[in-house]
Amino acid sequence: GIQVEQSPPDLILQEGANSTLRCNFSDSVNNLQWFHQNPWGQLINLFYIPSGTKQNGRLSATTVATERYSLLYISSSQTTDSGVYFCAVVNTGKLIFGQGTTLQVKP
Amino acid sequence: GAGVSQSPSNKVTEKGKDVELRCDPISGHTALYWYRQSLGQGLEFLIYFQGNSAPDKSGLPSDRFSAERTGGSVSTLTIQRTQQEDSAVYLCASIVGTGTNANTGELFFGEGSRLTVL
Repeated sequence: GIQVEQSPPDLILQEGANSTLRCNFSDSVNNLQWFHQNPWGQLINLFYIPSGTKQNGRLSATTVATERYSLLYISSSQTTDSGVYFCAVVNTGKLIFGQGTTLQVKP
Repeated sequence: GAGVSQSPSNKVTEKGKDVELRCDPISGHTALYWYRQSLGQGLEFLIYFQGNSAPDKSGLPSDRFSAERTGGSVSTLTIQRTQQEDSAVYLCASIVGTGTNANTGELFFGEGSRLTVL
């Protein structure tokens, strides 16, 4: 089946710093989403981005489907950005999640 | 409803008992997914429904796990003879889906059902 790899697995930032999270996938996909799981376990939709670039405030995402990767950019990070960031892709019907990037933003 | 609703939010049970977890998807969403998340781990796919049928049950861990969906809406995940390793948060999500394509559109999650097996 399709493999979804996220990097880095862990990231520690000082408040105000910028970061880039990466999601690589091993096969073609027709759906890709980024989620943020906050410390209380709630999964929050960030981007539905099977291709192209989207921006929402301090966050933006780019998916290059032909090269099988997606990037999530976080600018001017805040402590509330802490948590786990997951990408998820659809291939042969199933929505498969990567293992996530755990982000800690220190004040 | 306005969002995906799951119940119970918390369930503590004794080893060997059966449990039922319920998911009420967003109105109009034809596709529904179940995932499991153990402490500190990623999301493990269990099963998905397109309408009332389940094209892919490959993620169900054992024959103690079953799921059904009726009326193209509410789904129930049943775990029989629970074991301690079943302890996890069970997450349900729904997606618009169109026709035979269960993957169209954005996926929305409920807040999960936390299961603890003593």
